Amino acid sequence: NAGVTQTPKFQVLKTGQSMTLQCAQDMNHNSMYWYRQDPGMGLRLIYYSASEGTTDKGEVPNGYNVSRLNKREFSLRLESAAPSQTSVYFCASSGSQGNSPLHFGNGTRLTVT
Amino acid sequence: RKEVEQDPGPFNVPEGATVAFNCTYSNSASQSFFWYRQDCRKEPKLLMSVYSSGNEDGRFTAQLNRASQYISLLIRDSKLSDSATYLCAVNRGGGFKTIFGAGTRLFVKA
Repeated sequence: NAGVTQTPKFQVLKTGQSMTLQCAQDMNHNSMYWYRQDPGMGLRLIYYSASEGTTDKGEVPNGYNVSRLNKREFSLRLESAAPSQTSVYFCASSGSQGNSPLHFGNGTRLTVT
Repeated sequence: RKEVEQDPGPFNVPEGATVAFNCTYSNSASQSFFWYRQDCRKEPKLLMSVYSSGNEDGRFTAQLNRASQYISLLIRDSKLSDSATYLCAVNRGGGFKTIFGAGTRLFVKA
């Protein structure tokens, strides 16, 4: 039972490059999320998907796009990476209720030079 | 002002000590409250949900004060293995946005 799986674990990009972070969960959860974590800032919500077929902006959506590919998968895309997007990215999922606790993936450490 | 605020610490305590963390939230419509634990360079993991009547799980006790808009976490008989960052999280009522505090770092020393 893998839970929430993210790939890649580490990535270095140059400014202007693009990439997609992949996330998949096997817990049959309806809701999925992307957070970024920066020192002193805590976890900040980028985008979320309350259910398959829907996506909504979180606190810091600028510079990102998401796709809820199916119930299991939720990807995050950086179209033109900037140094300000250097961060640790966490994918998470939760059950049907919006107030359910979150289950996190292992994270992706992204550096943009 | 941040929507969820925590004392960043660090808290340095000896083994066996009791330590308490507080977390304040500004949105009075918040309905769900959680404490997560995050080890260095790892993902956050749910420690416990916080219920209106307060709840306990072994050495850990969580309480909610809606009137003053804060939640607390009490750790009794601290262990070396309790060293971690503790994140409080608040879910806005009716939605899917869980907002996290920046975390409180705890060091338990022998």
